[in-house]
Order: sequence, then structure tokens, then C-alpha cells
Amino acid sequence: DGGITQSPKYLFRKEGQNVTLSCEQNLNHDAMYWYRQDPGQGLRLIYYSQIVNDFQKGDIAEGYSVSREKKESFPLTVTSAQKNPTAFYLCASSSGTQETQYFGPGTRLLVL
Amino acid sequence: KQEVTQIPAALSVPEGENLVLNCSFTDSAIYNLQWFRQDPGKGLTSLLLIQSSQREQTSGRLNASLDKSSGRSTLYIAASQPGDSATYLCAVKGTGNQFYFGTGTSLTVIP
Repeated sequence: DGGITQSPKYLFRKEGQNVTLSCEQNLNHDAMYWYRQDPGQGLRLIYYSQIVNDFQKGDIAEGYSVSREKKESFPLTVTSAQKNPTAFYLCASSSGTQETQYFGPGTRLLVL
Repeated sequence: KQEVTQIPAALSVPEGENLVLNCSFTDSAIYNLQWFRQDPGKGLTSLLLIQSSQREQTSGRLNASLDKSSGRSTLYIAASQPGDSATYLCAVKGTGNQFYFGTGTSLTVIP
């Protein structure tokens, strides 16, 4: 089956800890995205990547980092600098920046 | 910066009713607009994508329209079913490389 997978489904972070969320796609899409979803605020873009080894900041990149070493993978690291990380994180991909976005099932991050 | 608004925030209708969800955006210079469905605790499922040159798109019981000049899109759902209950989001792609999302309309279809 083609699609986007995210892991883990739930993730718990302790104070001062960096955590990494996984996103993998087998759709052969060039573009990949990370969004954060908070209740009542809709989705906000954290980072996006149009091609391997290249990525751009979205509206809320502070406290987050990404890498794009392989076409199929776009991991997101939530660093200790992100003071309010509790949210639902969604990864998406598209064949181009003008095309339909396909989403993964999401990772819910909670702070201990 | 593009602002996307969806009204109402929540809507309840009896099964079988036809309904319209609204999406408005502030910058008419868009490349496309996409409607998504989101079930609780899940990712988003794409329903319809309308390119800026198009006026509408149809898929089954769903019809989405786009009026760029007025900054509006509507999603029409015919003969609603309880399985249509979900949150519906619209997203607009502008001249940059990112989508801007509305906060969604939570739809409940009552059997």
C-alpha cells in the first residue's frame, strides 16, 4: 500500500529533552511538510521540503529542526527550545507544491 | 499573509439533508484550494482540489466551488449521512509554497 506513515502514535517528552518524530512516504513525492495542530487554531506549517537536502521554515519553525537526507523520509525534532510542544503533529507530502497534499495519521506529543 | 476563515465552526443536520460549508480567504492570488476531511484523532483526507483556473470540482455527493474574485469557496454535500460526520477543513495555496488552513467546520449528521 502506498501512503505516509508516522511514528510513534503517542510521544511523551520530559523537560529539557529533544524528541524526534518520524515521517516516511512511499508515494515517490518530492515535497514533504510538517504541520502542528492545536485545538481551535487549525494547522500551522512548521517546515517544508521541496527536494532532498533542502528545506524551508514555515510560520512556526522556532524550537524545531528537520532533515531531508532521503526522498522518502522527513523527520522532525522537537528541541528543548520549544516551550509549548504539546500538540498533534501531522506530516504530509505532495508530488509538487501545487498538487494535492496527502497526510499521515499524526503523532500526539505530550509533556510529562 | 493569507487568512482563511470557515463559518460556522460547528453544524448539526438531520440525515438526508443537503448542506453547504463555507470557506473565505483574504488574498485572491491563489494557485489552488483544497478541501479535507478529518476524523477525531486522525490525519486529513483530501476530498477535492480546485485549481485557480477552475470554478468547481465534483466527487460523488460532494461539490466544491471557487470564486477567486470574492475570496470564497463552498463545499456542498448532498443527501448527508451519519458517516459524513467529521471536521471539514479548507486550505489555500498562494504564491508561496505553503498551504494556509482554516480552523474547520465540525459537522454532525443526526440519524
